[in-house]
Amino acid sequence: GQNIDQPTEMTATEGAIVQINCTYQTSGFNGLFWYQQHAGEAPTFLSYNVLDGLEEKGRFSSFLSRSKGYSYLLLKELQMKDSASYLCAVRDSNYQLIWGAGTKLIIKP
Amino acid sequence: IAGITQAPTSQILAAGRRMTLRCTQDMRHNAMYWYRQDLGLGLRLIHYSNTAGTTGKGEVPDGYSVSRANTDDFPLTLASAVPSQTSVYFCASSEGRGGDNEQFFGPGTRLTVL
Repeated sequence: GQNIDQPTEMTATEGAIVQINCTYQTSGFNGLFWYQQHAGEAPTFLSYNVLDGLEEKGRFSSFLSRSKGYSYLLLKELQMKDSASYLCAVRDSNYQLIWGAGTKLIIKP
Repeated sequence: IAGITQAPTSQILAAGRRMTLRCTQDMRHNAMYWYRQDLGLGLRLIHYSNTAGTTGKGEVPDGYSVSRANTDDFPLTLASAVPSQTSVYFCASSEGRGGDNEQFFGPGTRLTVL
């Protein structure tokens, strides 16, 4: 079966750095996405990786290792507004997105 | 309209009733999707459409049907609602299904089936 694993919850301090890991086992691989979802709201796109390596976008970076079936999202200079769930999703061989259950990130002052 | 809209925002429905969730996008995106999101689970794809006039089944299609008569609208119908269909339903769209085409999500419909 297809599986995306992420930690259920993480806690970090305002101004710090946090890394959210995602491991996947899917039928094929056609890219990996990270989305942010605030409580009661819709998911919004953060990043896309299809080749191995690091993609940097402001305070957020995303890393991919296809051979290890592994990705992480790195958030720097954490702000209170970063408190949200972070969803990892992999596009499989049928071009469908397979989603992880999400990591709830709690930011403390 | 800007982006994707969904209606209703929330609904309480008696089991056995028929219900249509509406979704409209104004971005002229080719692909559209319906997901359900349940606590502790990832988003699960119900149905999708690659372009107007075509639809396909996702991971959890049973009990749901869709149509795509035009580019903008992608309604989801529950023919006879059951309590296990209680969920938050998100409609999404993207320019295409491959490459770096991100999916844009509507605000969601919270459905409770009693």
